[in-house]
Amino acid sequence: GNSVTQMEGPVTLSEEAFLTINCTYTATGYPSLFWYVQYPGEGLQLLLKATKADDKGSNKGFEATYRKETTSFHLEKGSVQVSDSAVYFCALSDRSGGYNKLIFGAGTRLAVHP
Amino acid sequence: NAGVTQTPKFRILKIGQSMTLQCAQDMNHNYMYWYRQDPGMGLKLIYYSVGAGITDKGEVPNGYNVSRSTTEDFPLRLELAAPSQTSVYFCASSPYAGGVTDTQYFGPGTRLTVL
Repeated sequence: GNSVTQMEGPVTLSEEAFLTINCTYTATGYPSLFWYVQYPGEGLQLLLKATKADDKGSNKGFEATYRKETTSFHLEKGSVQVSDSAVYFCALSDRSGGYNKLIFGAGTRLAVHP
Repeated sequence: NAGVTQTPKFRILKIGQSMTLQCAQDMNHNYMYWYRQDPGMGLKLIYYSVGAGITDKGEVPNGYNVSRSTTEDFPLRLELAAPSQTSVYFCASSPYAGGVTDTQYFGPGTRLTVL
């Protein structure tokens, strides 16, 4: 079945460091790919998405490129801030079974220190 | 615009008790979902609904029940609470666009502890 694998956390960085969170997927067909962010005590918010191969999603300085050849959707940011501390979830859309659902990775916790 | 709202925020139950987690959305979305999030894990789908009067099971439906009498509301019922149901529960909704790119919008969650 379809699945998403994320790098384990926590990832600990200093402010202004470069961030990469790896995400790979297994899927039949051509799923859409998403990154969601969960700030402490809150629900998940969509951070960015890409709907087809080679698409780049971007938002708030974060970006990720849909790479079909490597089945990856790695999240990057050039200079992180303390306010980026959160849990990041990679997800793919799955319409098998006749309805639209999201398959989530386990999440990666990011802690950014001043 | 409230988006997706959930009540209560926190709840402690005793084994065998029952309760209903409330979820409402004001975006006129057709699809609604219930997930649970266990520590260090991703979200697992419990139940979903594609419109009023239509519900179906997700990956982990055992011990739960749902109903969808209106577009706005999608309550989740726990009949006989068990410690294994200790989790954070998220409700989500998405518009129907006929494709696979539907974004899901999440509520703030309900943290449930069963002792």
